[in-house]
Amino acid sequence: AQRVTQPEKLLSVFKGAPVELKCNYSYSGSPELFWYVQYSRQRLQLLLRHISRESIKGFTADLNKGETSFHLKKPFAQEEDSAMYYCALDPGSGGSNYKLTFGKGTLLTVNP
Amino acid sequence: NAGVMQNPRHLVRRRGQEARLRCSPMKGHSHVYWYRQLPEEGLKFMVYLQKENIIDESGMPKERFSAEFPKEGPSILRIQQVVRGDSAAYFCASSPSTGIDTEAFFGQGTRLTVV
Repeated sequence: AQRVTQPEKLLSVFKGAPVELKCNYSYSGSPELFWYVQYSRQRLQLLLRHISRESIKGFTADLNKGETSFHLKKPFAQEEDSAMYYCALDPGSGGSNYKLTFGKGTLLTVNP
Repeated sequence: NAGVMQNPRHLVRRRGQEARLRCSPMKGHSHVYWYRQLPEEGLKFMVYLQKENIIDESGMPKERFSAEFPKEGPSILRIQQVVRGDSAAYFCASSPSTGIDTEAFFGQGTRLTVV
């Protein structure tokens, strides 16, 4: 069975500092990895997915199959980045894209 | 488009009662997914439905839980004879299709508390 681990429950940085939210996964096949974000009092929304290899709001994430990691990074954090971040995995069989397994989430706080 | 609408936002039930959670997908979306988030845990997939059909219920508990998505009206997640362990946030998501480029949009969730 697949598993997603986000080792940090809380992460606090200062505005302008680099930020890295860690995500490790375990899955025997070739999964698809996602990052979701939930801003205060808002819905969970897709931030980025590894297959698109794009940068959203300055965030990037690289899938490292050797280390089974998909860490989320941003070089200069902004106060509006404060939110709960969830890493998620889809087994990828048939490109279903719905049977996601989520990590427990990391609450990022960016201080002024 | 108002987005995925879930109601109620908060639901309190006594042990043994029934809980009904409703989800109205986004306009044009015929695929609905339910997830459960237990306290201090990540979201876990429960069931995937299309109109009038259950496609994948591999994440649903075997007893007391059922889901439907009728031709007309919202999708319903029904929990019979609730127990304290059912207390969780239940999220619904919808998409226009499935596939590698499809994004599922989430509702704000229903927080069920069993007392």
